[in-house]
Amino acid sequence: QVQLQESGPGLVKPSETLTLTCTVSDSISHYYWNWIRQTPGKGLEWIGYVYSTGSTNYNPSLKSRVTISSDKSKNQFSLRLSSVTAADTAVYYCARATTLYPGRLDSWGQGTLVTVSS
Amino acid sequence: EIVLTQSPATLSLSPGERATLSCRASQSVNTYLAWYQQKPGQAPRLLIYDASNRATGIPARFSGSGSGTDFTLTISSLEPEDFAVYYCQQRSNWPLTFGGGTKVEIK
Repeated sequence: QVQLQESGPGLVKPSETLTLTCTVSDSISHYYWNWIRQTPGKGLEWIGYVYSTGSTNYNPSLKSRVTISSDKSKNQFSLRLSSVTAADTAVYYCARATTLYPGRLDSWGQGTLVTVSS
Repeated sequence: EIVLTQSPATLSLSPGERATLSCRASQSVNTYLAWYQQKPGQAPRLLIYDASNRATGIPARFSGSGSGTDFTLTISSLEPEDFAVYYCQQRSNWPLTFGGGTKVEIK
């Protein structure tokens, strides 16, 4: 069973860029690799994905600030969210979806809490 | 984007009882609807996909039904480990969206 693990700073200052990495226990080829975040106020929010070819798709609500990329050699994919504010404080999850079932999130990382504060 | 509305917000039941959770979509999602279970401090876990298909390893007491805009998750007989929050999610249109959740709590 594939394992996903998020990593990155737990504290980011307002206006800076949040960067998280998800390390996958197996090859990242032939899958969609997603980022999702969760807050008490807005619940679960899909941020976007990178496909194994490098193509991306982002939530329009965040599109201007989000970049998701992948590194096949390291079996990793990353999230960059720029110009963060307190509203970006959340638990961030990475998750996988298969080519056959895009959008079906069948494996998740444990999540990492990111707090935006000076 | 498609808005998913879950009801009720909280369901208070006893072990052994039947749980019925609802999810309504703001427009048709065909059968592209999933259900997830989340326990405190854990990530969501896929239970049901495409409205009625159980994910790998999910017990038969979990079942899903519906199509179009109205969906139901049924837990036929609640086990102690089933008390958690349940979310629906659609993959019919991008962006993916989730419902606000139903908390199943012990009565």
